[in-house]
Amino acid sequence: DIQMTQSPSTLSASVGDKVTITCRASQSISTWLAWYQQKPGKAPKLLIFKASNLITEVPSRFSGSGSGTEFTLTISSLQPDDSATYYCHHYSSYSQTFGQGTKVEIK
Amino acid sequence: QVQLQESGPGLVKPSETLSLTCTVSGGTVSSADYYWTWIRQSPGKGLEWIGNIYYSGSMKYNPSLNSRASISLDTSKNQFSLKLTSVTAADTAVYYCATEGLFFGEHYYGLDVWGQGTTVAVSS
Repeated sequence: DIQMTQSPSTLSASVGDKVTITCRASQSISTWLAWYQQKPGKAPKLLIFKASNLITEVPSRFSGSGSGTEFTLTISSLQPDDSATYYCHHYSSYSQTFGQGTKVEIK
Repeated sequence: QVQLQESGPGLVKPSETLSLTCTVSGGTVSSADYYWTWIRQSPGKGLEWIGNIYYSGSMKYNPSLNSRASISLDTSKNQFSLKLTSVTAADTAVYYCATEGLFFGEHYYGLDVWGQGTTVAVSS
């Protein structure tokens, strides 16, 4: 099975900071990676698919990059509404695995 | 836009079968544009993919569930369902149904629509 490892597990940053979350796959997954945002008591919300494709209604301060085994989610200027847990997700015909999540807190 | 709503018992006894249904609106389970998917999230934990089903009836499951999960379609009611047998306390979780958007029948968009989730506790 392909394992997805996110880092860090938690991060605390100030409004306006640039924030980067990393997701590493245990083997190459090409660009079959999505990122989700989950707020307490709510279902996850898709932000990015196929590693770097932003969902239409998602603010442009979010971006994704990477291929193979290393991927990043970047928030260019952190906003109070971005306080949430973020998950990466590998999806393919062969396996589907989530990362363990990164909790983003606002200082 | 597809919308999803989970339903089912909130409490299941150990060793029994958990049964949940996802009702689809704004779309049809006969569509070739989606995998119909179940995911769960244990209290305070991360997300776990359970499995999915395609309109053709083709199914895939998480091997870690040791063949306890089965997903089915009901086209007459525009629903898809999850059964999980021999449950234990470890199966206590919020269960979500979701769509995985496809592009010409292939994985592409990730899990683009989610239900609100339903909480299931396993306890005697």
